[in-house]
Amino acid sequence: QVQLQESGPGLVEPSETLSLTCTVSGGSISGYYWSWIRQPPGKGLEWIGYIYYSGNANYIPSLKSRVTMSVDTSKNQFSLQLSAVTAADTAVYYCAKVDGRRDTNGYFYGQFDSWGQGTLVTVSS
Amino acid sequence: EVVLTQSPGTLSLSPGERATLSCRASQSVGSSYLAWYQQKPGQAPRLLIYGSSSRATGIPDRFSGSGSGTDFTLTISRLEPEDFAVYYCQHYGSSPLFTFGPGTKVDLK
Repeated sequence: QVQLQESGPGLVEPSETLSLTCTVSGGSISGYYWSWIRQPPGKGLEWIGYIYYSGNANYIPSLKSRVTMSVDTSKNQFSLQLSAVTAADTAVYYCAKVDGRRDTNGYFYGQFDSWGQGTLVTVSS
Repeated sequence: EVVLTQSPGTLSLSPGERATLSCRASQSVGSSYLAWYQQKPGQAPRLLIYGSSSRATGIPDRFSGSGSGTDFTLTISRLEPEDFAVYYCQHYGSSPLFTFGPGTKVDLK
């Protein structure tokens, strides 16, 4: 199984841009979908979006206007940028690998089979 | 959008007991599209079950999943001390692609 490690600032000021990077080791980033998921303190999990190794991305509609994901296959890394942050964006941010499969009808479905340890990002001045 | 609800919110049990956790979807979903995770304090979630009933790599056989349509169940046949944690169900859908339930906490009675 691959290992994932998030990195980036732990404190971001309101209205600024949150930037995180996930480094993948023990395997190639190529051929897979990669996601960001967040968890506000004491709350549940929220999927933010995914990026394919080719650069194709899909974001949750509620954050779509503020989210950008990118991938750097040469470094085996993918990144998250979340703009115009507020206190509501304070959370532990996880990067994760999507385990993609096909059902009996050939349709794609996925779940997350490898996760980073998570990084707490606090939005505060 | 498919909304997932989980019950109970908290399940208080003793080691050796059977745990039955429920995940209900707001509309019928394909059984392939339901997964379960375990999360312990300070740790990332761990995939337990995918495709509603297939165990992920390395998951003990005391964990089992079942269900179809709108009702899905995670069963832990005999609780071990390390099983006390929060459990989330997750659906793969259309928009948003991935949604999680609010979680069920299994704690020590």
